Amino acid sequence: NAGVTQTPKFRVLKTGQSMTLLCAQDMNHEYMYWYRQDPGMGLRLIHYSVGEGTTAKGEVPDGYNVSRLKKQNFLLGLESAAPSQTSVYFCASSYSAASGALGTDTQYFGPGTRLTVL
Amino acid sequence: AQSVTQLDSHVSVSEGTPVLLRCNYSSSYSPSLFWYVQHPNKGLQLLLKYTSAATLVKGINGFEAEFKKSETSFHLTKPSAHMSDAAEYFCVVSEDNQGGKLIFGQGTELSVKP
Repeated sequence: NAGVTQTPKFRVLKTGQSMTLLCAQDMNHEYMYWYRQDPGMGLRLIHYSVGEGTTAKGEVPDGYNVSRLKKQNFLLGLESAAPSQTSVYFCASSYSAASGALGTDTQYFGPGTRLTVL
Repeated sequence: AQSVTQLDSHVSVSEGTPVLLRCNYSSSYSPSLFWYVQHPNKGLQLLLKYTSAATLVKGINGFEAEFKKSETSFHLTKPSAHMSDAAEYFCVVSEDNQGGKLIFGQGTELSVKP
């Protein structure tokens, strides 16, 4: 049981290049999320998915696209990278969004991907 | 709209002394509140979670937090700091009607001096 994994761990891009970050979870979770972390700003939600085949925008979606073709995978794409997208990207997953003592809305985080755009 | 404010960006304590990390929240509905910890170059780990079952929540590694609705606070405490507690701590709020979206505070960096 690996939990939430992210590929790659590090990446350096030039402005205008494209790339895809892969998130995988083996906990059979319905919900998956992509966040970015910047100094002094906590984590901000980019996009999320409430189930296979569905995606929705979060707080800072511009410049990113996502896909959830399989329940266990959530891909984050940068079509034309910009220096402002230099950040650490975290993926997370949860069983549901409903709170309660069962803790089904607890989000489990991957180890992160450190992306630098030159 | 929901929001989270962590009142200190940096807290420094000596090993063996108490830890207090302060968090205030704003929420229109009954919130779930979390504390996550992030060690350097690592992902986020859940410390504890409040979901209305009890106002005093115990977490891992000796941490606990108390939900005070009248003060809209959810401060994190530990009686005795350990060197391994040095990390960044995030207070987080979630609401049932927001599709599980989390709102993060800015983070508090905890330093522990020997």
